[in-house]
Amino acid sequence: GENVEQHPSTLSVQEGDSAVIKCTYSDSASNYFPWYKQELGKGPQLIIDIRSNVGEKKDQRIAVTLNKTAKHFSLHITETQPEDSAVYFCAALNQAGTALIFGKGTTLSVSS
Amino acid sequence: DTAVSQTPKYLVTQMGNDKSIKCEQNLGHDTMYWYKQDSKKFLKIMFSYNNKELIINETVPNRFSPKSPDKAHLNLHINSLELGDSAVYFCASSQHPGPTPNSPLHFGNGTRLTVT
Repeated sequence: GENVEQHPSTLSVQEGDSAVIKCTYSDSASNYFPWYKQELGKGPQLIIDIRSNVGEKKDQRIAVTLNKTAKHFSLHITETQPEDSAVYFCAALNQAGTALIFGKGTTLSVSS
Repeated sequence: DTAVSQTPKYLVTQMGNDKSIKCEQNLGHDTMYWYKQDSKKFLKIMFSYNNKELIINETVPNRFSPKSPDKAHLNLHINSLELGDSAVYFCASSQHPGPTPNSPLHFGNGTRLTVT
């Protein structure tokens, strides 16, 4: 089945710096790659997603890039702010295309 | 106006007890899911239902039994609770089985289960 690896597990940056989180997936048929942000005591919330027919997608300070050949995708956050501090998860569809399989999460800390 | 709501938010109980967690979504979605998040924050799919029919049943002990009385509700009943069942359980929904950009996955805020 699909396997999603995520790195790093923790990331500390200074306010204003950029943050990059990387994920790899195993199933070459996967075609949908969302990123979720989970704040303390809340459920994960979708922040950006990308289809496999697109190489990059941007939404203000966040962007996602996809390399289908290498089977990896990355989340880029520019001009980080303290409110960006949270756990971030990447995900890909399982082999049957019926559920999301998540990476193990990255705890991002942005210090001011 | 909460889209996916779960009750209770916290549940503390003793080993051997039976407990239920309820979930409701008001998004008009056909598909609902249960995910388990362990102490290391790892999110793992447990079950999904599409229009009241079970479509995913991962390797979960049969002490866990989901029930979907209608497509807006998916409850989770757990028998004979064990220490290892302590986790945060998240309900989620999407329009169709398998989230897409047009039908992303929406999560509830979780139920923290503590078994003592």
